[in-house]
Amino acid sequence: GEDVEQSLFLSVREGDSSVINCTYTDSSSTYLYWYKQEPGAGLQLLTYIFSNMDMKQDQRLTVLLNKKDKHLSLRIADTQTGDSAIYFCAERRGYSTLTFGKGTMLLVSP
Amino acid sequence: GAGVSQSPSNKVTEKGKDVELRCDPISGHTALYWYRQSLGQGLEFLIYFQGNSAPDKSGLPSDRFSAERTGGSVSTLTIQRTQQEDSAVYLCASSLDQGHNSPLHFGNGTRLTVT
Repeated sequence: GEDVEQSLFLSVREGDSSVINCTYTDSSSTYLYWYKQEPGAGLQLLTYIFSNMDMKQDQRLTVLLNKKDKHLSLRIADTQTGDSAIYFCAERRGYSTLTFGKGTMLLVSP
Repeated sequence: GAGVSQSPSNKVTEKGKDVELRCDPISGHTALYWYRQSLGQGLEFLIYFQGNSAPDKSGLPSDRFSAERTGGSVSTLTIQRTQQEDSAVYLCASSLDQGHNSPLHFGNGTRLTVT
């Protein structure tokens, strides 16, 4: 299909790891992105990965890319209540604009 | 430095009226994008400007929607004869260029409510 797919909701306890999954559609996508949206705010770029990479780590964030399955994941280590937000996966197809998933709402409970 | 600025932050209008939404991109960014975010619908691409090239209008949902970008900087999204289904958050983003590794930087959006 045409859509970038994400699960809609994830609930974790503070201190646990969170894993947010995404499947994308275009095998020629060159860059894949993760954005975070807090209530009432725009989207904040968290990290992105080039398609020739399998993994990228940035402090508490780890991005894993499985190109064969067109699967992208974002792992947040030691999740905090401040990480509660909506997380969007996006793919860039050629030189066009980004195509976003519908977002995963992460709820972190104390 | 300053990020992407959008105004107004909230707009309530009556059905049938026209509205204009403004976006100030990050200085030096040549690419500018408009997206619409509706409840439960994710982000819907509307229009994309890159430098002096003709804009990509492929995402505009109807001819009531139009956008312009003056002087390669500020952009205005206009919705004519607004309908209730136009109620959404309209997000603007800019990027340094259209390159693959130029991430989009978003403003906080304009929340449009059509009554």
